[in-house]
Amino acid sequence: AQKITQTQPGMFVQEKEAVTLDCTYDTSDPSYGLFWYKQPSSGEMIFLIYQGSYDQQNATEGRYSLNFQKARKSANLVISASQLGDSAMYFCAMRGSKAAGNKLTFGGGTRVLVKP
Amino acid sequence: GAGVSQSPSNKVTEKGKDVELRCDPISGHTALYWYRQSLGQGLEFLIYFQGNSAPDKSGLPSDRFSAERTGGSVSTLTIQRTQQEDSAVYLCASSLAKGGLAEDTQYFGPGTRLTVL
Repeated sequence: AQKITQTQPGMFVQEKEAVTLDCTYDTSDPSYGLFWYKQPSSGEMIFLIYQGSYDQQNATEGRYSLNFQKARKSANLVISASQLGDSAMYFCAMRGSKAAGNKLTFGGGTRVLVKP
Repeated sequence: GAGVSQSPSNKVTEKGKDVELRCDPISGHTALYWYRQSLGQGLEFLIYFQGNSAPDKSGLPSDRFSAERTGGSVSTLTIQRTQQEDSAVYLCASSLAKGGLAEDTQYFGPGTRLTVL
């Protein structure tokens, strides 16, 4: 079975500073993908960044980067230069092998509040 | 292009009534997923459709829940004899589901908030 753990229920960050959101996972699949989604108060889940288990480099997407440490089974999201619009819930999710059915397993989420 | 759309955005119903929730995936996406987001349970997978294959129904919480996907596009999630614990946001997602993992990013709709009184 797959499991995603996000240990930070909520955090404050000062505008323009960087913030790291923790995510650890557990899976027996040798091949998997890790995703981060943002959910603002409007409710829609917005895809941010993806990391494949065999990717040699950490994923980056604009102000988002993923600190992927495979041996530690962690995939922390780093948001640089935080903006007020970054205030939202952030979810880490995992997709296993195709044999596992392609569904996403989500962590409990981290609520981020950016202070001006 | 247009994203995943869901209707209605909000649904209030009485306990024991049936409800239907609709999802229209991104054009060209062959995979469609339903998830449920509730305060107590977080985000849970419900059901997954891929092309003409039999759906993966492993996440449906009871036989009161069913879903169909007509013509490989629009999907309807039906909850019969609704209970108060069915109150949640129901999210639909779609993906290309072609080839490797990177192409299987799931894109979500805005959700339907269901309240069972």
